[in-house]
Amino acid sequence: AQSVTQLDSQVPVFEEAPVELRCNYSSSVSVYLFWYVQYPNQGLQLLLKYLSGSTLVESINGFEAEFNKSQTSFHLRKPSVHISDTAEYFCAVSTIQGAQKLVFGQGTRLTINP
Amino acid sequence: EAQVTQNPRYLITVTGKKLTVTCSQNMNHEYMSWYRQDPGLGLRQIYYSMNVEVTDKGDVPEGYKVSRKEKRNFPLILESPSPNQTSLYFCASSRTALMSYEQYFGPGTRLTVT
Repeated sequence: AQSVTQLDSQVPVFEEAPVELRCNYSSSVSVYLFWYVQYPNQGLQLLLKYLSGSTLVESINGFEAEFNKSQTSFHLRKPSVHISDTAEYFCAVSTIQGAQKLVFGQGTRLTINP
Repeated sequence: EAQVTQNPRYLITVTGKKLTVTCSQNMNHEYMSWYRQDPGLGLRQIYYSMNVEVTDKGDVPEGYKVSRKEKRNFPLILESPSPNQTSLYFCASSRTALMSYEQYFGPGTRLTVT
């Protein structure tokens, strides 16, 4: 079975500062990896995904995540955050064979202070 | 507009009173799923459906029922709600089961059972 651990439940940062949200996973088979974002009072939206190929994946709003197989990690980074990035971020994993099941981490609440 | 809708958005009920939360998608998606979100636990899958008349248990199915009589609808039924089912519930859909990593989420239903 797969599991996902998000190491920080809350991350406060100042506007325009860099941020890293940490995610580690555990699986005995190959996986797909995802970050979802939940803005206040909304459902989750897919932010970015790693399926194969380049281990560095990017979103349209400046976030990036790097798949590190040896460290079983998929940390999310942004070099300069904006107030509008305030949200809860969920890391998720799906095995390549059992693609119908997404396993989510506990979530990290990112708070941007002016 | 492509979307997943849920009703009601908010519900307060009493222990034992049967309730149904509706979920509908207008994207002709085959795969649909229900999750509950609890603080510190992330999202946990309750039930999923790979197509019409095909449903299966997720990680936390106890106390819930689902049905999939039509492709667009996937209602969640609580026959005898209990306080430990107080939670935020999300319905989600994806084009196929193999693409279930890219799920579209509804806005959520906040349920309180007293």
